Amino acid sequence: AQTVTQSQPEMSVQEAETVTLSCTYDTSENNYYLFWYKQPPSRQMILVIRQEAYKQQNATENRFSVNFQKAAKSFSLKISDSQLGDTAMYFCAARSDKLIFGTGTRLQVFP
Amino acid sequence: KAGVTQTPRYLIKTRGQQVTLSCSPISGHRSVSWYQQTPGQGLQFLFEYFSETQRNKGNFPGRFSGRQFSNSRSEMNVSTLELGDSALYLCASGHRLAGGSGELFFGEGSRLTVL
Repeated sequence: AQTVTQSQPEMSVQEAETVTLSCTYDTSENNYYLFWYKQPPSRQMILVIRQEAYKQQNATENRFSVNFQKAAKSFSLKISDSQLGDTAMYFCAARSDKLIFGTGTRLQVFP
Repeated sequence: KAGVTQTPRYLIKTRGQQVTLSCSPISGHRSVSWYQQTPGQGLQFLFEYFSETQRNKGNFPGRFSGRQFSNSRSEMNVSTLELGDSALYLCASGHRLAGGSGELFFGEGSRLTVL
């Protein structure tokens, strides 16, 4: 069975600073994919970044990057130059045959 | 291009009733999956449909069911509603089955309140 754990229920960061959200996962599958999704208040969930487990290179999407440590089953999200619009719930997710989410981290960006 | 559309957006039911939620995926998407989101349990996978066939199912009782039509639209049904079924039900669509890296696009959800 797959499990995804996010140990930080809430985090805050000042605008323009950098913040890292933690995620660990467990799976017995060899082929799987990892994702970070963002759910702004009262808005729909959108994909932030994805990582194929077979790729060693960490994924990057503009201000968002991941630190993927396969042996440690760790998949953290780094947000650089935080913006007020980054305020949201962030969910880490793993997918082999189905998408399993972590419990989420509520990120607040302060001016 | 229209996004994933879920109807109704909000609904209130009483215990023992049944409810049907609808999801229209993005045009061309053949995979539709459903999730239940609650403050206590977070996001939990309900089931996934692809080409009118249920491909995967989460750990929910048989009161939760779904189906997918030939146009890829999907419905989920919850019978004999319980207070604990109060949740935001999210639908997501994609080009391929869930077992891949393809992006899933989510709807805004249907918020169900059971009194």
